Amino acid sequence: EAEVAQSPRYKITEKSQAVAFWCDPISGHATLYWYRQILGQGPELLVQFQDESVVDDSQLPKDRFSAERLKGVDSTLKIQPAELGDSAMYLCASSLALGSYEQYFGPGTRLTVT
Amino acid sequence: GESVGLHLPTLSVQEGDNSIINCAYSNSASDYFIWYKQESGKGPQFIIDIRSNMDKRQGQRVTVLLNKTVKHLSLQIAATQPGDSAVYFCAEPRGYGQNFVFGPGTRLSVLP
Repeated sequence: EAEVAQSPRYKITEKSQAVAFWCDPISGHATLYWYRQILGQGPELLVQFQDESVVDDSQLPKDRFSAERLKGVDSTLKIQPAELGDSAMYLCASSLALGSYEQYFGPGTRLTVT
Repeated sequence: GESVGLHLPTLSVQEGDNSIINCAYSNSASDYFIWYKQESGKGPQFIIDIRSNMDKRQGQRVTVLLNKTVKHLSLQIAATQPGDSAVYFCAEPRGYGQNFVFGPGTRLSVLP
């Protein structure tokens, strides 16, 4: 069964350092999402792509976060500089198309900022 | 603002019993809801969905009930098994892009 791939699975970094996460969606899925999930809470959307275009980045802290999906396939989420409050699980999800509600989530990257 | 939330943060049930997980939503215009299951260390997994023109939808061992009058959703799991232990989230679409607002989640623990 096709799955959303994410790497790394775990990342520990010091505050003020840069960190990057990678996501490879299910093949053929045009829509890609990045979520942040703080421990004990539900996922919160950071950014949504349709192919290579950003559909919604209204909740992305743009002073330190950036996301790209240059060829409309895999995607990278970057944080620079990392802050202690960025410690969370970063989840990537994909769906077949913009109008498709069913999202498939990857295993996530657990980020710890020290 | 609009939000999706859950009544109980934790729920413990005996193996074999039925589980009921509740969710309250505040956006009366929402026309679609999803339940996700998230096991420890994994991403959320789609369980079942329901559209607002339905009151009930059944899957394999799971049933979702929608009460639009009081803006309430519930997820019923029949004959709860140890593998059902997880955090369960309800979610509703928001905006043009069909991204989702997730509730805070209910942790289900299945007791032997």
